[in-house]
Amino acid sequence: QVHLQESGPGLVKPSETLTLTCTVSNVSVNSVNYYWSWIRQSPGKGLEWLGYIGYTGSTSYNRAIKSQLTISMDKSKNEISLRLRPVTVADTALYFCAKGSTIFRGPWGLGRLVTVS
Amino acid sequence: AFKLTQSPSSLSASVGDRVTITCRASRDIGGALAWYQQTPGKPPNLLIYDASTLEVGVPTRFSGRGFGTDFTLIISSLRPEDFGTYFCQQFQTYPIFGGGTRVE
Repeated sequence: QVHLQESGPGLVKPSETLTLTCTVSNVSVNSVNYYWSWIRQSPGKGLEWLGYIGYTGSTSYNRAIKSQLTISMDKSKNEISLRLRPVTVADTALYFCAKGSTIFRGPWGLGRLVTVS
Repeated sequence: AFKLTQSPSSLSASVGDRVTITCRASRDIGGALAWYQQTPGKPPNLLIYDASTLEVGVPTRFSGRGFGTDFTLIISSLRPEDFGTYFCQQFQTYPIFGGGTRVE
C-alpha cells in the first residue's frame, strides 16, 4: 500500500528557508492522475492547504502563501518537496504531505513538526 | 474572504448519543464539502465527501447532509472510537478547512 513520510528540520530561524521532503513508497510519484498536497496544521490557523503538485509536474498553490512557496517532484528519488521562504514564526506548524488535490482520501504522512524560532 | 464556520467548537457527549455538527460556508459551494475525523497523533481521516457520500469503509452511523451554504455531520450513535476532532473542508475552489469541532 502507498506510504508517505515527511522529513526535514524541526527548527528553522526566521527569514530562512524551510525545505521538507515527502518520501513516497509503493507507487511512483508521477503515476497518472496522482496528485500530492502539502497541508499544515497549527493552533492559530488550524488546517491549511498549501498546494499540490500533479503527476505531470503541474502545481497549484494557496494564494495566501503563493509568493513564499515552491513544491517540486524528484522522480528519481520518488519524493515530493516543499520549499517555504522566508519563514516567520507564523509558519510554525505540523506539516503533512497527503495524496490528493481537492479531497484527501489518503494516505497522509504522520507529519513533521516545524518550529520557527 | 471565504470562510467555513463550524459549530459548536467543542461538545461533550456520551457513548450512544446522537451527535450533530454544523458547517456553514460564507458563500454557496454547492455540494463540494467533505468531513474528516482526526484523533490525537494522527492525520485527518476522510469520512464523507460531496456533502453526503460515505467514504468506503466508514461506518454507516456517520451521515452528511446539506447543500449550498449549510451542512451537517451526524453521528447516529456515538462509539468510543468516535471521540476526536471533526473538520469540514470545501473543495469548490482550493481546499479550505473549517476550524474544527472537538467531541469529548
